[in-house]
Amino acid sequence: QQQVKQSPQSLIVQKGGISIINCAYENTAFDYFPWYQQFPGKGPALLIAIRPDVSEKKEGRFTISFNKSAKQFSLHIMDSQPGDSATYFCAASPHNAGNMLTFGGGTRLMVKP
Amino acid sequence: DAGVTQSPTHLIKTRGQQVTLRCSPISGHKSVSWYQQVLGQGPQFIFQYYEKEERGRGNFPDRFSARQFPNYSSELNVNALLLGDSALYLCASSFSGGGISYEQYFGPGTRLTVT
Repeated sequence: QQQVKQSPQSLIVQKGGISIINCAYENTAFDYFPWYQQFPGKGPALLIAIRPDVSEKKEGRFTISFNKSAKQFSLHIMDSQPGDSATYFCAASPHNAGNMLTFGGGTRLMVKP
Repeated sequence: DAGVTQSPTHLIKTRGQQVTLRCSPISGHKSVSWYQQVLGQGPQFIFQYYEKEERGRGNFPDRFSARQFPNYSSELNVNALLLGDSALYLCASSFSGGGISYEQYFGPGTRLTVT
């Protein structure tokens, strides 16, 4: 069963725009929420991660917003660049389950110059 | 510093055969996890090993097995290959493997094609 639902499946954004990807989860035991970026033929690269004790985390142009009551979290990419064109995955892992990540289905982002 | 390394890069096998995939974690990391990524989908958790012990197992058949060595490298074995086993197999390395979740860093993967 898919415990982490990601939307949209694909996204086209103009250079300089804001890319927004959303994820929703069901398992209330999840307490760690990373985002990964994957280029074709490569492994996923960790972008940014958040724990539920904070509602927002920012690293450079990437921001995670977290809504614990709604069981939703999102990735915002500010000033999107063509080099950001990749597939993005949200993920979650439960408390005391170490590194057992459950991934969303992915969002293919295309940033047009 | 070297990241997570995996070998081989690509592999072509026939149905019914067996395959062994290898992973070396980042220096200092003691946990290795294995994921299967079918084309167009997100990775799915297969196994986690920490300090040479299995700490987690995903919803995969017993044809899948793994182990971790004293130097923290790991092998994933798949027996009696099926066409549906064709995927990118990813290894992820982490400093810790129990309790609180730590950042996981993925290798480039091994592309397995079963014909």
